[in-house]
Amino acid sequence: QKEVEQDPGPLSVPEGAIVSLNCTYSNSAFQYFMWYRQYSRKGPELLMYTYSSGNKEDGRFTAQVDKSSKYISLFIRDSQPSDSATYLCAMSDPGGYQKVTFGTGTKLQVIP
Amino acid sequence: GAVVSQHPSWVICKSGTSVKIECRSLDFQATTMFWYRQFPKQSLMLMATSNEGSKATYEQGVEKDKFLINHASLTLSTLTVTSAHPEDSSFYICSARDPGAGGSATGELFFGEGSRLTVL
Repeated sequence: QKEVEQDPGPLSVPEGAIVSLNCTYSNSAFQYFMWYRQYSRKGPELLMYTYSSGNKEDGRFTAQVDKSSKYISLFIRDSQPSDSATYLCAMSDPGGYQKVTFGTGTKLQVIP
Repeated sequence: GAVVSQHPSWVICKSGTSVKIECRSLDFQATTMFWYRQFPKQSLMLMATSNEGSKATYEQGVEKDKFLINHASLTLSTLTVTSAHPEDSSFYICSARDPGAGGSATGELFFGEGSRLTVL
């Protein structure tokens, strides 16, 4: 079993739709949870960064963490064609150099 | 946000040659940088943790003699792929944590643009 599981998609939605992206994980030591956006042939760009359980909102993006279920989500409201990218969840524990473990990424396409 | 610059963005080389990739933190000092490898449609796989002034820490299965890492200063880490072979063709990405960002012990992890290596 992988430490982090993420549906690779692809996920195709119409412009304006609400998008839900999810990851599950098995390591209960993870405390920091991140979502990255990666455009084709580019390095990942940090979107959201949360610590422990709860919600965090930034503009059209909302990140949710449910540590009891080992489940994290990213919601994108009013999706735009420019949101078309691969979204990677990532998480780390507090120890050592805080090694970050990534999901495989979900490819999202927002259709105008 | 903090900027991490990676160079070259793409490189093509012949089998058997060595290739060096540079990773620079432009507006912050990074005592630790990370090197990842990403295959098409796959996640980022951590190769090694680069520590300024000391030896890199390699992940299991990564050949340290094959992938030489040098972190000579607080703003520069280099990855050298020695005696490259076609199976080394991949997208290599570095990242660095800005301890001053995010207000947490871990700081935010910023990525370079990646370097696409093609070995013929």
